[in-house]
Amino acid sequence: AQSVTQPDIHITVSEGASLELRCNYSYGATPYLFWYVQSPGQGLQLLLKYFSGDTLVQGIKGFEAEFKRSQSSFNLRKPSVHWSDAAEYFCAVGVIGSGGSNYKLTFGKGTLLTVNP
Amino acid sequence: DTEVTQTPKHLVMGMTNKKSLKCEQHMGHRAMYWYKQKAKKPPELMFVYSYEKLSINESVPSRFSPECPNSSLLNLHLHALQPEDSALYLCASSQKGQITGELFFGEGSRLTVL
Repeated sequence: AQSVTQPDIHITVSEGASLELRCNYSYGATPYLFWYVQSPGQGLQLLLKYFSGDTLVQGIKGFEAEFKRSQSSFNLRKPSVHWSDAAEYFCAVGVIGSGGSNYKLTFGKGTLLTVNP
Repeated sequence: DTEVTQTPKHLVMGMTNKKSLKCEQHMGHRAMYWYKQKAKKPPELMFVYSYEKLSINESVPSRFSPECPNSSLLNLHLHALQPEDSALYLCASSQKGQITGELFFGEGSRLTVL
C-alpha cells in the first residue's frame, strides 16, 4: 500500500536561514507527489506538484522540491525563510485505484515549521 | 475562480442534533472529497464522489451521510455525532479525467460536538 513519511515532526529555523523538509514515499508505480501548506485553522494550499519530467519543480512563495526516485524522496526546500512561512507542511502522494478510477491523496503526518526572528 | 467554498465555518452541535456541512465549487471539477482532520494530524479521507456518484467510502460510520446533489455541490449530513467527531472537515475537488491532478481545498468547517 502507498504511504508517505515525513520524518521531522517539528523544525525550527531562524528567519533568513535555508530550509529543507523531508518526505519519503512508498508506492509501486510512478508517484504523483505534492506539497501542501496549512496555516492554523485554515485549509490546505498547494505549494507545488510533481507528475513527470524535470525532477526539480518550482512552486509558489519561493519553494522548490526535488524528486529523487532512487531515494524515494521528494524534499521541499527554500533558500531563505520568512516569518510568514511558519505553518504546517504536508507531503502527499496521489494514488489511482483499480481500473484507473478513484483517485485520492494520501498525506504524511506533517512537519510543523517554526520561524524565529 | 479557483475557490472551494465551505459553510458554515464553525458549527457547534449536541449529540442529538441533525446538521449539515455544505461545499460548493464552480471550477467544473467532477470529483469532490470530504476529509476529516483532527488537531495536529493530517487530513484523513472520508468520501469521494466522482461524477456525482459515491466512489470511495473509507469505512465511515453511518452517522456521517454524504450527498452530492449536482456537480457543484457536496453536502455532509451529520446525525447523532459523538464528541470524538469534533474536528476540521475539509472539502476538496479535483478535475476527473485529469487523474494526476491536485486537489483544491476549502478552508474547512470546524465542528464541535458537545
